[in-house]
Amino acid sequence: DADVTQTPRNRITKTGKRIMLECSQTKGHDRMYWYRQDPGLGLRLIYYSFDVKDINKGEISDGYSVSRQAQAKFSLSLESAIPNQTALYFCATSDLRDGSYEQYFGPGTRLTVT
Amino acid sequence: AQSVTQPDIHITVSEGASLELRCNYSYGATPYLFWYVQSPGQGLQLLLKYFSGDTLVQGIKGFEAEFKRSQSSFNLRKPSVHWSDAAEYFCAVAKPGAGSYQLTFGKGTKLSVIP
Repeated sequence: DADVTQTPRNRITKTGKRIMLECSQTKGHDRMYWYRQDPGLGLRLIYYSFDVKDINKGEISDGYSVSRQAQAKFSLSLESAIPNQTALYFCATSDLRDGSYEQYFGPGTRLTVT
Repeated sequence: AQSVTQPDIHITVSEGASLELRCNYSYGATPYLFWYVQSPGQGLQLLLKYFSGDTLVQGIKGFEAEFKRSQSSFNLRKPSVHWSDAAEYFCAVAKPGAGSYQLTFGKGTKLSVIP
C-alpha cells in the first residue's frame, strides 16, 4: 500500500462550489504539505503543517484553507472554487526526527474547475 | 529568498545517449539540494540529494549530480538514457537550519527520449 494517499484522484467541480481534497499518510511523519502544480510553473507551496496544532501559509495560500485532523491526515479545502484553481495538487510529508529535508509525495489529485 | 532555475524547459535525447539537466540556485550559502522525477501520471520521487561532503552524488536509476559551489549549480547527469527515463525532472533547494524544511522547486525540465 502507498505511504501517502490522496483522495479523490480526479475531480471536476463547478465554479463557486466548496471542495475538499484529502491526504493520509502511514509513514508516521510529523510534517505535511500541500502543493499545486501548473504546467511550466513547477510546484508551489500552499500550506504546510508541522504538527496537529501548527499550520502555516505557503507561497500561494489565498483561496485555500487546510485542516490537520490528526498526525496522519491533512485536508485542503477550496471554499469557493474558481477556474484558475484548476491544477494538479500534491500532498507531501517529511520527518523532523531523521533531520532530513526529504519530502515524500502522494500520487496527486487532478482538479478541474469549470 | 532562495530561487531555483532550470534553464531547459524541454530536452529530447536519443536512447543510449548521455544526459545532463541543468539546475542553478540563488542562495547566500550552500543550500540542501534535491532532484525529483515525475513520471507521467505519478507523484514525485526523489532521485538524489546533497547536504554536504562529496560534491558528486549518486542516486537511484543510474543518475548522478554534481554540486559546484562556484557556479551555484547542481546538474543532473546520466551516461546512457533509457526510454523509461522520459519524465519531468525537478530540482529543489531547502535552506539549512531554517526550521521550516520548506522546499523551493524549479519549474521543471521535461525529458523526451527517442527510441
